[in-house]
Amino acid sequence: AQTVTQSQPEMSVQEAETVTLSCTYDTSENNYYLFWYKQPPSRQMILVIRQEAYKQQNATENRFSVNFQKAAKSFSLKISDSQLGDTAMYFCAFMKSTPGTYKYIFGTGTRLKVLA
Amino acid sequence: DTEVTQTPKHLVMGMTNKKSLKCEQHMGHRAMYWYKQKAKKPPELMFVYSYEKLSINESVPSRFSPECPNSSLLNLHLHALQPEDSALYLCASSPRVGTNSNQPQHFGDGTRLSIL
Repeated sequence: AQTVTQSQPEMSVQEAETVTLSCTYDTSENNYYLFWYKQPPSRQMILVIRQEAYKQQNATENRFSVNFQKAAKSFSLKISDSQLGDTAMYFCAFMKSTPGTYKYIFGTGTRLKVLA
Repeated sequence: DTEVTQTPKHLVMGMTNKKSLKCEQHMGHRAMYWYKQKAKKPPELMFVYSYEKLSINESVPSRFSPECPNSSLLNLHLHALQPEDSALYLCASSPRVGTNSNQPQHFGDGTRLSIL
């Protein structure tokens, strides 16, 4: 069974600094997809960044980038130039879909607070 | 602005009541999902609809009954719920559910459900 682990329940970072959120997962699959979602307080969950497991190149979206280490089953999120609006709960997610089965598993989340 | 709309935003009901949660999207997505999210926990997948047909039921109790009347709407009918069913219920959609599909999910704001 697939599992997703986020070992940092809470983190804080000074505005304009860089922070890295960790995520590890366990799977026997070779092809799958990984996502980071952001859920601000009392607001909807939105996609931050995604990574296809078959791609070696790390995904980047503006200030957000990932360090994907497939062999180590690690998928960390780096936020550069942190902004107050980045304060949110961040969930790492694993997705694998095959005919008849569908797995979309979220980690337990990391609550990030950006300090002014 | 959220592209997935959920109503109501809040719902308080007794254990003997029957109520329905509604979800609507007009992005042309053919996959829709229901999640349950307890406080400070990650979302847990409940149901997956693909092309208006139920494709995944993650062993959800029968007091939760999903319905997909058309490609834009997804309902969750509630009956005889228990206090432990109090949670945030999230609806999501994606272009499709398919083999090796990597589409992220678009989430609604959720319905916060309280069972008395």
